[in-house]
Amino acid sequence: NAGVTQTPKFQVLKTGQSMTLQCAQDMNHEYMSWYRQDPGMGLRLIHYSVGAGITDQGEVPNGYNVSRSTTEDFPLRLLSAAPSQTSVYFCASSYGSEAFFGQGTRLTVV
Amino acid sequence: KQEVTQIPAALSVPEGENLVLNCSFTDSAIYNLQWFRQDPGKGLTSLLLIQSSQREQTSGRLNASLDKSSGRSTLYIAASQPGDSATYLCAVPYGSGNTGKLIFGQGTTLQVKP
Repeated sequence: NAGVTQTPKFQVLKTGQSMTLQCAQDMNHEYMSWYRQDPGMGLRLIHYSVGAGITDQGEVPNGYNVSRSTTEDFPLRLLSAAPSQTSVYFCASSYGSEAFFGQGTRLTVV
Repeated sequence: KQEVTQIPAALSVPEGENLVLNCSFTDSAIYNLQWFRQDPGKGLTSLLLIQSSQREQTSGRLNASLDKSSGRSTLYIAASQPGDSATYLCAVPYGSGNTGKLIFGQGTTLQVKP
């Protein structure tokens, strides 16, 4: 099983550029979510989805957009990258109680 | 607002020791609690999930307990090995139901010395 797959693994962006972080899961999970992990701040929820067509904001949503057109995919879009968005991004999926995470995308904005 | 705290932030032990990692949460109305392991530069691996109705879960050398009334969970690692070196995170769902979104503690970074 592939589980939760995130691409790319590493990315460097210039300030003001846009990009999409991809997340796909093959477990037919209803719930998917995006987190960012920063030193001293831990993991914080950006956006989440409880099913196709349904998304909502988490703790730190500013500067990010999401959509969920299929059960499998939950992309995270950075509209205009800023240095404050330098972080490691994790996607997770769950059905029932247990959450499963991807390997992360390390993003640097210069 | 739910807050999750893990103490200590870092722990160094000699190989073979039994050890306990702590996780506390401020709102006892949790749906479940999950323990994760994170190796440097890697993603999170689920170790144990404890439902709110359970008191403990075991997997190999790992045992997690849950005491909702006191707002605490512990992860017990028996006979620690250098391969156990990693950061251990606990997490609970937002709200009292199964929301699919988690609040994390800051983690405990464990080093097991040979």
